[in-house]
Amino acid sequence: AQSVTQPDIHITVSEGASLELRCNYSYGATPYLFWYVQSPGQGLQLLLKYFSGDTLVQGIKGFEAEFKRSQSSFNLRKPSVHWSDAAEYFCAVGFNTGKLIFGQGTTLQVKP
Amino acid sequence: DAGVIQSPRHEVTEMGQEVTLRCKPISGHDYLFWYRQTMMRGLELLIYFNNNVPIDDSGMPEDRFSAKMPNASFSTLKIQPSEPRDSAVYFCASSNLAEGRETQYFGPGTRLLVL
Repeated sequence: AQSVTQPDIHITVSEGASLELRCNYSYGATPYLFWYVQSPGQGLQLLLKYFSGDTLVQGIKGFEAEFKRSQSSFNLRKPSVHWSDAAEYFCAVGFNTGKLIFGQGTTLQVKP
Repeated sequence: DAGVIQSPRHEVTEMGQEVTLRCKPISGHDYLFWYRQTMMRGLELLIYFNNNVPIDDSGMPEDRFSAKMPNASFSTLKIQPSEPRDSAVYFCASSNLAEGRETQYFGPGTRLLVL
């Protein structure tokens, strides 16, 4: 069955430090890949997406993600975290059916 | 664009009452999705529409839930009768084929509490 795994439920980083959030998927072919961010009490905002082509994708708010086919991964990165990045981050995969399957989310806490 | 609009933002009701959640998708989007978010189950797709027609409702939990899309700019999700286990955040999202139907834009959600 298709699935998405975000191994880290909660991550804490210091402001200014680098960030990497992990995402792995289980599927026979390359799916469409997404990262969303959800601030408390808010809806989900699309950070970036990968459909095909260059495996390093740039998104909004200084985020980027790299697709690694051999590892079935699509990890999200940011070189320097700001306090306003504290939120919950969701990885999602689509399979050209219109449906998205979401991971369980990773909560990011930023220490001053 | 105003983005996806949902109403109400918060709803508190008593068990057994009917609840209607509303959604206005982004203009020009031809796909509309209803999701439910809970701590236990995360984000679940309930149903989605294409050009106002329901395509996949396999995620709808039971007959108490129904969804309609009478036109391209409006959809409702109805729960009748509501139960405490329906308490969750319900999101509406929309997309279009040009950008990719999986590129979904979410509304702010409706926080439902059933007492």
